[in-house]
Amino acid sequence: NAGVTQTPKFRVLKTGQSMTLLCAQDMNHEYMYWYRQDPGMGLRLIHYSVGEGTTAKGEVPDGYNVSRLKKQNFLLGLESAAPSQTSVYFCASSSGQGPYEQYFGPGTRLTVT
Amino acid sequence: QQQVKQSPQSLIVQKGGISIINCAYENTAFDYFPWYQQFPGKGPALLIAIRPDVSEKKEGRFTISFNKSAKQFSLHIMDSQPGDSATYFCAASMKAGANNLFFGTGTRLTVIP
Repeated sequence: NAGVTQTPKFRVLKTGQSMTLLCAQDMNHEYMYWYRQDPGMGLRLIHYSVGEGTTAKGEVPDGYNVSRLKKQNFLLGLESAAPSQTSVYFCASSSGQGPYEQYFGPGTRLTVT
Repeated sequence: QQQVKQSPQSLIVQKGGISIINCAYENTAFDYFPWYQQFPGKGPALLIAIRPDVSEKKEGRFTISFNKSAKQFSLHIMDSQPGDSATYFCAASMKAGANNLFFGTGTRLTVIP
């Protein structure tokens, strides 16, 4: 039982390049989330999904797109990377029912130069 | 705008001492208040959580105190150990918002042997 996994672990992009971060969970969870973590700012929600085929914007959605084509996967895309998107990205999942615990993946460290 | 305010930013405690981290919120719709623990290079993991219908919850050496009228809650770590050295995040969520978590900015705890 791997829980929540994220691919890749590290990535360096040049400004303007695109990439996709993959999150996978094996807990049959309905809800999935993408957060970014920046020093001194905690974790901020980018996008989330309450089920296969659904997505919604979080606190900081600009510059990102997401897709949830399969229940176990949640993809985060950067179409044209900017230095301001240098961050550590975390995916999380939850059952959507009590007790509402979110399970986090190990993170992806992204640097945009 | 930070929905959950957390202090202090960093904390140094002697082994065996008590670590106290405080959080405050404004949105009275929040109905779930978890604390997450994060070790370097890892994703956050749920430590303990409380709902606003109780004023205190204890799990081993970790206690959450909740003051609904003041809209404040705090984490107390009794008999702090070097292994507790990590970053702690308070958070808040509401059922109506797909359980999206709003995080505090984090407290880096260092327990000195």
